[in-house]
Amino acid sequence: GNSVTQMEGPVTLSEEAFLTINCTYTATGYPSLFWYVQYPGEGLQLLLKATKADDKGSNKGFEATYRKETTSFHLEKGSVQVSDSAVYFCALSKGEYGNKLVFGAGTILRVKS
Amino acid sequence: DGGITQSPKYLFRKEGQNVTLSCEQNLNHDAMYWYRQDPGQGLRLIYYSQIVNDFQKGDIAEGYSVSREKKESFPLTVTSAQKNPTAFYLCASSIRILDNTEAFFGQGTRLTVV
Repeated sequence: GNSVTQMEGPVTLSEEAFLTINCTYTATGYPSLFWYVQYPGEGLQLLLKATKADDKGSNKGFEATYRKETTSFHLEKGSVQVSDSAVYFCALSKGEYGNKLVFGAGTILRVKS
Repeated sequence: DGGITQSPKYLFRKEGQNVTLSCEQNLNHDAMYWYRQDPGQGLRLIYYSQIVNDFQKGDIAEGYSVSREKKESFPLTVTSAQKNPTAFYLCASSIRILDNTEAFFGQGTRLTVV
């Protein structure tokens, strides 16, 4: 079946450090891939998405590239801020399976000033 | 403003009681979903609905029930049969079930069994 694997956290960084959160997936065909962010006590917000191979999603300084050959969608940011502290979820969706998002376990990011 | 509204934000329930969580959307989305989130875990799908008067079980439907009498509303009932109901519950919607589009989430309801 479809699944998503994320690197375990928590990830603790100093402000302005480079961020990478790894995400790999298992799915047949060509799923759409997403990164969601969850701030404490809140619901999930879409951070970025990519719908086909080699697409790059980007938003608020975050980027992720859909790599079909390595089945990966790693999240990166060049310079993190304290306000980026949150839980980040990688997810996939595949229309013929039904648009039911399959989530990774989430990665906690803590940024220190 | 368009969006998804979940209420209440916090809910306390005594063991053995049923409780209903509200989810309303004004995005004109066909599909709606309920997820459960436990500490340190990803989201798990409880139920989903593609259209009015239709819904399907997700991965962890036991002890839960839903209804979809109106397009904009998808309430979730946590029954006394749910053995471990304390969790954070998230409602979501998307334009259609068969498109690879993103889902939009509500702010969640934290249910605690006391």
